[in-house]
Amino acid sequence: QVHLVQSGSELKKPGASVKVSCKDSGHTFSNSAINWLRQAPGQGLEWLGWITTYTGNPTYAQGFTGRFVFSLDISVSTAYLQISSLKAEDTAVYYCARGSDILTGCDSWGQGTLVTVSS
Amino acid sequence: QSALTQPPSASGSPGQSVTISCTGTSSDVGFYNYVSWYQQHPGKAPKLMIFEVNKRPSGVPDRFSGSKSGNTASLTVSGLQAEDEADYYCSSYAGSNKNVFGTGTKVTVL
Repeated sequence: QVHLVQSGSELKKPGASVKVSCKDSGHTFSNSAINWLRQAPGQGLEWLGWITTYTGNPTYAQGFTGRFVFSLDISVSTAYLQISSLKAEDTAVYYCARGSDILTGCDSWGQGTLVTVSS
Repeated sequence: QSALTQPPSASGSPGQSVTISCTGTSSDVGFYNYVSWYQQHPGKAPKLMIFEVNKRPSGVPDRFSGSKSGNTASLTVSGLQAEDEADYYCSSYAGSNKNVFGTGTKVTVL
């Protein structure tokens, strides 16, 4: 059974960076597609992209290249999302979600990490 | 890549059916049979309800069904129950290893 646990809430100032972690306590991390999504307050889900644990190759959605970086530490079954040059509009709950591939949906989700960007 | 279009809201009485549409383009919904649907209760993470247009993960009631015609996918919830009140999101593979999500629909059980 896959169980994703994310790091805690963050409060950052504009221009700062943040790194959100997503640890897989199951046994499928090495054969996974880890997706990253965000949900601004009162808004819908927005797909940021994904990273395959087979090769570590990331794919970013349009508009999320440059400031957003996906990475992995296979040794501790953890995926990371780093966001640099934070803006107020990056305030959102960030989710990691696992699928067996990019095609068949995300069958396991983290609990979400609230990132608040405020001066 | 533009978000898939969903109606903002839908409603039905207990026991009735409600259908939610998800309209994309010939480059995503219309081209690939990789449409998924998610249910999200307030303050909770989304849950996968349908994948590959009409397949249900283990544990999802058969009251939930999916279909697709052209560039529009649909989720039907039959025999509405109070616990079905939630936000629902569709997503589709859009080629080039990318997905796109819908705008979301709030389902209210009257």
